[in-house]
Amino acid sequence: EDQVTQSPEALRLQEGESSSLNCSYTVSGLRGLFWYRQDPGKGPEFLFTLYSAGEEKEKERLKATLTKKESFLHITAPKPEDSATYLCAVRMDSSYKLIFGSGTRLLVRP
Amino acid sequence: DTAVSQTPKYLVTQMGNDKSIKCEQNLGHDTMYWYKQDSKKFLKIMFSYNNKELIINETVPNRFSPKSPDKAHLNLHINSLELGDSAVYFCASSPHPGLAGEQFFGPGTRLTVL
Repeated sequence: EDQVTQSPEALRLQEGESSSLNCSYTVSGLRGLFWYRQDPGKGPEFLFTLYSAGEEKEKERLKATLTKKESFLHITAPKPEDSATYLCAVRMDSSYKLIFGSGTRLLVRP
Repeated sequence: DTAVSQTPKYLVTQMGNDKSIKCEQNLGHDTMYWYKQDSKKFLKIMFSYNNKELIINETVPNRFSPKSPDKAHLNLHINSLELGDSAVYFCASSPHPGLAGEQFFGPGTRLTVL
């Protein structure tokens, strides 16, 4: 069965303390892996698209990387405003639908 | 200049009632989606329309019926509401199905069934 698993479920960091979030997937024929950010009471906001192993994308303090089995979202020197739930999703070949993981709730304390 | 809007934001109703949630996007996108996010925060696709044609129809009870009067609108009608239907429902859009991974989400509708 196609699955997306995110870890950890929750992560607390001090401001400036870098860390990584993990998204592992078991799907046949990956068409793309996507990261989203969701703030409380709001809809998810698209962050990155990764298509092939070895690919990397960066945006401010965030960097997303992809291997054949998993993706990492690295957060460098986070700030309190980076606090949110980070969701990863995959899309398979011959399908338009996204399969989402359950997310990692990130809290960055000042 | 809201991109994807949903109404209402909150919906509280009794079991057995019929309700609708409306969604509109002003991005000029061809593809729209409905998702359900349960209490454990899992986001699951329910339906998708591309230019008014149904392209994703997941296994959901047939009490749920989407309607797309035009490509800018995708409404969700729910008949005979049950307690288990309580969740947050999100509408989303993408330019076309090929960019299904890059979706713009609405603010969500929190449905509570009593």
